[in-house]
Amino acid sequence: SQQGEEDPQALSIQEGENATMNCSYKTSINNLQWYRQNSGRGLVHLILIRSNEREKHSGRLRVTLDTSKKSSSLLITASRAADTASYFCATDALGSARQLTFGSGTQLTVLP
Amino acid sequence: TAGITQAPTSQILAAGRSMTLRCTQDMRHNAMYWYRQDLGLGLRLIHYSNTAGTTGKGEVPDGYSVSRANTDDFPLTLASAVPSQTSVYFCASSDPSGGGTDTQYFGPGTRLTVL
Repeated sequence: SQQGEEDPQALSIQEGENATMNCSYKTSINNLQWYRQNSGRGLVHLILIRSNEREKHSGRLRVTLDTSKKSSSLLITASRAADTASYFCATDALGSARQLTFGSGTQLTVLP
Repeated sequence: TAGITQAPTSQILAAGRSMTLRCTQDMRHNAMYWYRQDLGLGLRLIHYSNTAGTTGKGEVPDGYSVSRANTDDFPLTLASAVPSQTSVYFCASSDPSGGGTDTQYFGPGTRLTVL
């Protein structure tokens, strides 16, 4: 079963705008990761946030984690057409032996 | 380094036939994983291996088998393919023992169609 669920399923914005994607999960976690997948390619790791962290930044990416609500958000600022991709959250649940469970993803389209 | 390579890139297979999807990594990672990705369902874990010589079942293991004879290779075998195994298969690796962050590194995928 899916541990993480992303919202929205699809998002279309103009270049230069910010994009926010949300992820909800069901069980306690060690960490939460966000991955990106370009069409027809494998997933690429973007950022990891541990369960004791609330916010993390990496370049134009900002991730927040609220363990009380079992939710995370990924913010991409000043989006570019090259950011067009699918974005997945993945959780490393407690006791999971480091296996990741992926959500169903958000398809982001950035229009030039 | 090449990272993770998968072969073949794509394959059309008749139902009932067997097939092995190959996965090789050159990062000396201890852990390796096989996922399948179906439209609208994200990635689902088929099998994993935390270290050479050990394997474990993931969320959807039925109809698949794996082996981990050495650190670099993690083949996935479909003994008797069925149409529901039509999917894109991704191999991944990670090195949690290296003080790292459990980040997984993915191969480019194998697109399998079972007719």
